[in-house]
Amino acid sequence: RKEVEQDPGPFNVPEGATVAFNCTYSNSASQSFFWYRQDCRKEPKLLMSVYSSGNEDGRFTAQLNRASQYISLLIRDSKLSDSATYLCVVNNAQPTDSWGKLQFGAGTQVVVTP
Amino acid sequence: DGGITQSPKYLFRKEGQNVTLSCEQNLNHDAMYWYRQDPGQGLRLIYYSQIVNDFQKGDIAEGYSVSREKKESFPLTVTSAQKNPTAFYLCASSPGVFQETQYFGPGTRLLVL
Repeated sequence: RKEVEQDPGPFNVPEGATVAFNCTYSNSASQSFFWYRQDCRKEPKLLMSVYSSGNEDGRFTAQLNRASQYISLLIRDSKLSDSATYLCVVNNAQPTDSWGKLQFGAGTQVVVTP
Repeated sequence: DGGITQSPKYLFRKEGQNVTLSCEQNLNHDAMYWYRQDPGQGLRLIYYSQIVNDFQKGDIAEGYSVSREKKESFPLTVTSAQKNPTAFYLCASSPGVFQETQYFGPGTRLLVL
């Protein structure tokens, strides 16, 4: 089983609609979680961090469900510019670890259509 | 502007050839990383470095080598021992190795001739 799993999509979303997708992780001791955005043939860029139950940044809301071991990302009022691949990233470092090892999901593709 | 630069953007490798990918950062970050990205897979860690003159193997280090002679620079050499080198290579840095937020360079796409 992969440590971080995502539905690859694509999620085809009409402009202005809401889209949500999940990411599951296998390590119950994971401490922190992130969503990165990656445009086609570009580098990943941090979208938002998820440290507690979740957080919101404008049209983007991330939620963490530790009991079921998944995080979700919701995009409201989708824009054409939101079309990208969204990478789920989990930090499995423990307090005794010497460094924070990030585990990357393969990404969920979102396509916003006019 | 502060950031991470990678060169070249595209690189072609012949059979049996070693090639070196450049990564430079002016963010004054201590930690630097090399990842490989293949279609349908998450980023996989090749090597990382916590500090100058120190580096550690990641999950897929075989066929690769690195050096960290300067804080700003972390070049990656893809050796002839790497049998499937075609991939998108991403360099990243962070203020410290325990800092989760990593900043990525624009990447180098390596193709085998």
